[in-house]
Amino acid sequence: DTAVSQTPKYLVTQMGNDKSIKCEQNLGHDTMYWYKQDSKKFLKIMFSYNNKELIINETVPNRFSPKSPDKAHLNLHINSLELGDSAVYFCASRDGGNTIYFGEGSWLTVV
Amino acid sequence: RKEVEQDPGPFNVPEGATVAFNCTYSNSASQSFFWYRQDCRKEPKLLMSVYSSGNEDGRFTAQLNRASQYISLLIRDSKLSDSATYLCGGGFKTIFGAGTRLFVKA
Repeated sequence: DTAVSQTPKYLVTQMGNDKSIKCEQNLGHDTMYWYKQDSKKFLKIMFSYNNKELIINETVPNRFSPKSPDKAHLNLHINSLELGDSAVYFCASRDGGNTIYFGEGSWLTVV
Repeated sequence: RKEVEQDPGPFNVPEGATVAFNCTYSNSASQSFFWYRQDCRKEPKLLMSVYSSGNEDGRFTAQLNRASQYISLLIRDSKLSDSATYLCGGGFKTIFGAGTRLFVKA
């Protein structure tokens, strides 16, 4: 019973393509996140949604578009992929005590 | 200045050693702080929440110093299995530091 699940786990794609990563949490949390971890292992927040509403957008290129159809889902769509987009993307949700629960990550490689 | 900063290490220590990590934060309004552990090619997982009064969980002790705006993690009697990257995080946006790598050697 994975609390925060994201798919796909691995994704290899060519520059210029459009791809999506899906995320679902079954914890009943109101707040969800997307984080990006680059090759230097720095974990950087990208977006946060609270109950389907965008509350944090950390100066991410507009090629990245999050979508939250309901509070249990937060998907990430990326247009016109670039080499620099290669990273691990972690979905996460937050409980009332501010603890963050991460998904297993999606390893994106752009070639 | 980054909102959360920590020494990236790596820290190389022998088994049984005591090791301490510090993390500084810039937003004095931040309320909640945490230490996470991340193993290679895995997601970060909560290790401990950090409270002003300090909290201890077995060999791990976390402390928050609001006056100096830093949080700390102390690991006593290090085990080989403690080898990982330790991330401090907190604040409204739950910003994380860059992580401190720990290698415990036999």
